[in-house]
Amino acid sequence: EIVLTQSPGTLSLSPGERATLSCWASQSVNSNFLAWYQQKPGQAPRLLIYGVSNRAAGIPDRFSNSGSGTDFALTISRLEPEDFAVYYCQQYASSPVTFGGGTKVEIK
Amino acid sequence: QLQLQESGPGLVKPSETLSLTCTVSGDSLSSSNYYWGWIRQPQGKGLEWIGSIYYRGATFYNPSLKTRVTVSIDMSKNQFSLSLKSVTAADTAVYYCVKHSITIFSVPNWFDPWGQGALVTVSS
Repeated sequence: EIVLTQSPGTLSLSPGERATLSCWASQSVNSNFLAWYQQKPGQAPRLLIYGVSNRAAGIPDRFSNSGSGTDFALTISRLEPEDFAVYYCQQYASSPVTFGGGTKVEIK
Repeated sequence: QLQLQESGPGLVKPSETLSLTCTVSGDSLSSSNYYWGWIRQPQGKGLEWIGSIYYRGATFYNPSLKTRVTVSIDMSKNQFSLSLKSVTAADTAVYYCVKHSITIFSVPNWFDPWGQGALVTVSS
């Protein structure tokens, strides 16, 4: 199975700053079959982006993704107070689908 | 608006069977070409896909759990269910039900939406 490693484990930033979260795959993720989720405490994960820059319904355009092969990134252009949360990447290039361990974005 | 809601016992004894049901509202399980699945998350840890079902009954499971998992569907109630047998403390987690489609390679793709989650604790 494809193992996803996210870094850093925790990102400490201030509102208004730019956040870049990394997701590394143990083997190539074909066709950019990668999704990103946001999870806040006590809530279910929420789909943010999937595939090549497809934002889910209601997701603001400050969220964007990039990368290919084994190296992927989620970028939040300017952090809003509601963006402080844990973020997970997920690959769906091969079964079983797998998730990364998460990156926590916390207020500095 | 499509909503998913998990229900079931919050406490299960070791070696017994964990059973959860997901009730779908706002859409019919058979109305579109989607799959219905389960994902779990141990407290403070990451996410693990468990298995999924198509409304016509086809199922597929994570190989790591395949020998213990059954996902079933009840069209008359617009519900689908998870059964996980021979549970241990390692199965303690929040269990989410989800909706998804599949890729051209028949792999579950992205998961959206999610139920709010149901905490199941395995303890005697």
